[in-house]
Amino acid sequence: QVQLQQSGPGLVKPSQTLSLTCAISGDSVSSSIVTWNWIRQSPSRGLEWLGRTYYRSKLSRWYSDYAASVKGRITINPETSQNQFFLQLNSVTPEDTAVYYCVRYVAVRTGWYFDYWGQGTLVTVSS
Amino acid sequence: QSVLTQPPSESGTPGQGVTISCSGSSSNIGSNTVNWYQQLPGTAPKLLIYGDHQRPSGVPERFSGSKSGTSASLAISGLRSEDEADYYCVVWDDSLNGRYVFGTGTKVTVL
Repeated sequence: QVQLQQSGPGLVKPSQTLSLTCAISGDSVSSSIVTWNWIRQSPSRGLEWLGRTYYRSKLSRWYSDYAASVKGRITINPETSQNQFFLQLNSVTPEDTAVYYCVRYVAVRTGWYFDYWGQGTLVTVSS
Repeated sequence: QSVLTQPPSESGTPGQGVTISCSGSSSNIGSNTVNWYQQLPGTAPKLLIYGDHQRPSGVPERFSGSKSGTSASLAISGLRSEDEADYYCVVWDDSLNGRYVFGTGTKVTVL
């Protein structure tokens, strides 16, 4: 059974950096058949996919992709020794206040889906 | 704002059926498969439908998905009180260098 355990501060000051960690059990951050994502949810913006990181053994390299809405402010990185991945969002404003989820994505023969979700972390941006 | 439009709310009495629509465009629903999620208050979304109409194991047959052109639908038959929740469609969008986009969400109320 895959479990995703999130950690990180619930309060961040405007203009500072939001940092969250997602610890994975039951799977490997280096798996070549899944991707590891961050999704957030707020009343004003709804559910919003922020980006992903994933490893592909064929080319022996890591990839990261980001939503255009946060590109330039966001970094999602893996940490293989601890089997976890991180979210960093720079220069936050109150608009970044949301519940943040780490999520596993898997593709199967008949489609794809986000199957395992972290418990969610409410991050409030306020001075 | 979301590029996938859903009605804000739908309702029905126990035993009735409801259908939730998800309207998109050629860059998302028109060219990629749609998934549906159910979200109960205070919890993470739960997968109901993937690949437009596939049901994961454990999801009741009362839930079914369909797609036509640039719109998708989630039908719930035989409504039960535990179906009262928020429902979201989600799909890959080929625009803006690619991204996953979620619908605006539909609150289903069981009267």
